[in-house]
Amino acid sequence: QVQLMESGGGVVQPGRSLRLSCTASGFIFSSYVIHWVRQAPGKGLEWVGFMSYDGSKKYYADSVKGRFTISRDNSKNTVYVQMNSLRPEDTAVYFCARETVEAIPYFDYWGQGILVTVSS
Amino acid sequence: SYELTQPPSVSVSPGQTASLTCSGDKLGDKYASWYQQKPGQSPVLVVYQDTKRPSGIPERFSGSNSGNTATLTISGTQAMDEADYYCQAWDTSSSVVFGGGTKLTVL
Repeated sequence: QVQLMESGGGVVQPGRSLRLSCTASGFIFSSYVIHWVRQAPGKGLEWVGFMSYDGSKKYYADSVKGRFTISRDNSKNTVYVQMNSLRPEDTAVYFCARETVEAIPYFDYWGQGILVTVSS
Repeated sequence: SYELTQPPSVSVSPGQTASLTCSGDKLGDKYASWYQQKPGQSPVLVVYQDTKRPSGIPERFSGSNSGNTATLTISGTQAMDEADYYCQAWDTSSSVVFGGGTKLTVL
């Protein structure tokens, strides 16, 4: 069955870096786009960004542009988000979500989420 | 940037119909998806491409989208439907937007 699992979260000081991983199983990973979505404590969902299935294009929310970098390793069925210059407002549960392969895509599977806390 | 607006909360009595709205400029020209999220859990897709329901989602969940408003309708609402609901659309071909979410209370 389709599974997405995030890892790499934790507590980090402001200004420092952290890399999250999303490891997939149960489907042909290289054919799918994986997005990152985050949710601050008690708040709603916020789209973070994604990389195209072949890695040729990357798109980010304005709130993380220039600080976050998404990459993928199709040989490891894994998508990463490198988060630099972290701010307290980046504190959130980070989800990875699979985008369907359709003309009008949506998110059909989500990971369980991983907590990132930015605090001194 | 494109914005989707949802009422923060909606209350409904068990067995009644709940209508959750999502507003955005010319949203009817786009496609809306809806996600249900219960406390401590990941979001679950309940409606996609405005009106379609994934396998395993009860028939009481339905969607529509016209003009500036997409609507998620839950007919015969059950206690288990109490959750936060988020609408989602594509701003451009490369940018996703979520609504702020609606907390549905069944009482």
